[in-house]
Amino acid sequence: ETGVTQTPRHLVMGMTNKKSLKCEQHLGHNAMYWYKQSAKKPLELMFVYSLEERVENNSVPSRFSPECPNSSHLFLHLHTLQPEDSALYLCASSLTSGVEADTQYFGPGTRLTVL
Amino acid sequence: AQKVTQAQTEISVVEKEDVTLDCVYETRDTTYYLFWYKQPPSGELVFLIRRNSFDEQNEISGRYSWNFQKSTSSFNFTITASQVVDSAVYFCALSTPNSGYALNFGKGTSLLVTP
Repeated sequence: ETGVTQTPRHLVMGMTNKKSLKCEQHLGHNAMYWYKQSAKKPLELMFVYSLEERVENNSVPSRFSPECPNSSHLFLHLHTLQPEDSALYLCASSLTSGVEADTQYFGPGTRLTVL
Repeated sequence: AQKVTQAQTEISVVEKEDVTLDCVYETRDTTYYLFWYKQPPSGELVFLIRRNSFDEQNEISGRYSWNFQKSTSSFNFTITASQVVDSAVYFCALSTPNSGYALNFGKGTSLLVTP
């Protein structure tokens, strides 16, 4: 079983839709992350959760809303997105966050297309 | 400021050739960590190696080897006898205490290995 899973793998949505991305980690980690990967751009860190509390929000627009109900699950709720939000959204987890440079393990990503 | 530069955008080699992917980093921290990840077409970032700034020993893992040179702020990655399955985008990343150990990624190098 893979350590970090993401669903759905592909998502197409209109600008007025509301959808959610789901991430689950089976590694016993305490920190989870959302990254955005757009074409020709470096990976951008969006949100960091440590022990279910948000510790970092890198000036992400409010149309992206994260939720971390427990240390194994992470959601990204999407509403009224723009076409430029089309990207690969990657989830990652690590043992801790901000304490050590723990290795982050990534999921397969959700390929999002906003029409 | 933390910065990672992967100057090679795309590299194409023929199977069995050796190939080196360059990574140059900038940081004022004396303690820092360097990572390499592989992203195959499936999208998932696969962890390859983590190295801290106090360990300058080069590392070899099968056909993979890493050359860490603090004097030139480089952490280069060599694949020996490349194979088609090595085709992927490779990312170098830097993590420092002053950045809360967040991963700062380079833009990646796309490696294509042809038969």
